[in-house]
Amino acid sequence: AQSVTQPDIHITVSEGASLELRCNYSYGATPYLFWYVQSPGQGLQLLLKYFSGDTLVQGIKGFEAEFKRSQSSFNLRKPSVHWSDAAEYFCAVGAYSSASKIIFGSGTRLSIRP
Amino acid sequence: ETGVTQSPTHLIKTRGQQVTLRCSSQSGHNTVSWYQQALGQGPQFIFQYYREEENGRGNFPPRFSGLQFPNYSSELNVNALELDDSALYLCASSLLGASRNTEAFFGQGTRLTVV
Repeated sequence: AQSVTQPDIHITVSEGASLELRCNYSYGATPYLFWYVQSPGQGLQLLLKYFSGDTLVQGIKGFEAEFKRSQSSFNLRKPSVHWSDAAEYFCAVGAYSSASKIIFGSGTRLSIRP
Repeated sequence: ETGVTQSPTHLIKTRGQQVTLRCSSQSGHNTVSWYQQALGQGPQFIFQYYREEENGRGNFPPRFSGLQFPNYSSELNVNALELDDSALYLCASSLLGASRNTEAFFGQGTRLTVV
């Protein structure tokens, strides 16, 4: 079955600290992987995506993610968080050929401690 | 700004009624997908429209239906509304092409409340 697991429902980090959000996926074909961010009541903004090539991908707002095929993981990282990073983060997987038939994880809510 | 616009932004309906939500896709895109996001959950894929035809459907009953128009805009229709249909409905547009596909770009969503 195709699925995405985000094991952390809620994470709190101090401003300026590093961040890692975990994501594991199960997908039968070559996965097209995404991280999206959602502020309260808003739509989804794409942070970064991976389909092939370098397994460390850079995104917007200083985020990066590393694809590890052997672990079926695609963890999101940021070296130093800002108060404005507080939001809900969603990991997602799809097929390149379908572009927008995407399976989302349940999300991780990020809070920033001043 | 993704160029994907949805209307209305908020809507309140009574159980048993019907609702139509609208989405204008980003310029140059030919595919629209709809998602339902219940409170505290990730979005769930409802269906996708490509060149005015349904091109895949998630685990939603037939009372969820859609249309795509020649200008690639789209409607989501829900009949016989139930309380559990209360959610944020997200539209995403993308390009499916012979040589290039784009990722999905999401609109801001329509918040539907069923009372």
